[in-house]
Amino acid sequence: GAVVSQHPSRVICKSGTSVKIECRSLDFQATTMFWYRQFPKQSLMLMATSNEGSKATYEQGVEKDKFLINHASLTLSTLTVTSAHPEDSSFYICSARDSAGAHTDTQYFGPGTRLTVL
Amino acid sequence: GNSVTQMEGPVTLSEEAFLTINCTYTATGYPSLFWYVQYPGEGLQLLLKATKADDKGSNKGFEATYRKETTSFHLEKGSVQVSDSAVYFCALSDLGGGYNKLIFGAGTRLAVHP
Repeated sequence: GAVVSQHPSRVICKSGTSVKIECRSLDFQATTMFWYRQFPKQSLMLMATSNEGSKATYEQGVEKDKFLINHASLTLSTLTVTSAHPEDSSFYICSARDSAGAHTDTQYFGPGTRLTVL
Repeated sequence: GNSVTQMEGPVTLSEEAFLTINCTYTATGYPSLFWYVQYPGEGLQLLLKATKADDKGSNKGFEATYRKETTSFHLEKGSVQVSDSAVYFCALSDLGGGYNKLIFGAGTRLAVHP
């Protein structure tokens, strides 16, 4: 149980284009999902908290117009990197919290998406 | 604010050696504490957790005890295997803003050699 998937696992795009990354909770409902960014050999940096049916909450320093988050259902959140540039190249990881389970303080992580912007 | 400090890596061990990765935290209130493991090219997997003082989390031979008096949650394993080579992250839950965020340590890379 508690499986989170991400799609795509890898994406290469040209500078100036937009890329959408999907995060799905496969066997549980998640009113809250989180998006992280991880640079090589570094820890995870929380970008935003995604809430089903409402606006995402962004961490300080994260551009909300650049990183668009939509949490349209209890099992799906999407992150769109708009007008991507090479400095946006990174490993993006989502996580989901089981809203109804016994361990609501536990986050379950997706496998990550490697974005490379040329 | 809340924070997590982990020992710097990399930690290099021979197979069957004893492992300790230190983790200390600063927090207001009583957060839950977690260890996550990340294998190369993958996302994070929950390894173990503890929700209150003196709780011991354990999984796959790893264990960690929530020590409130020393604000620590050190990860231990009695006999490591090559397959344990990965990056280990200590984390605490932060209820600030009501969203139950995770705050991660910097991660400790473990390399186990045959």
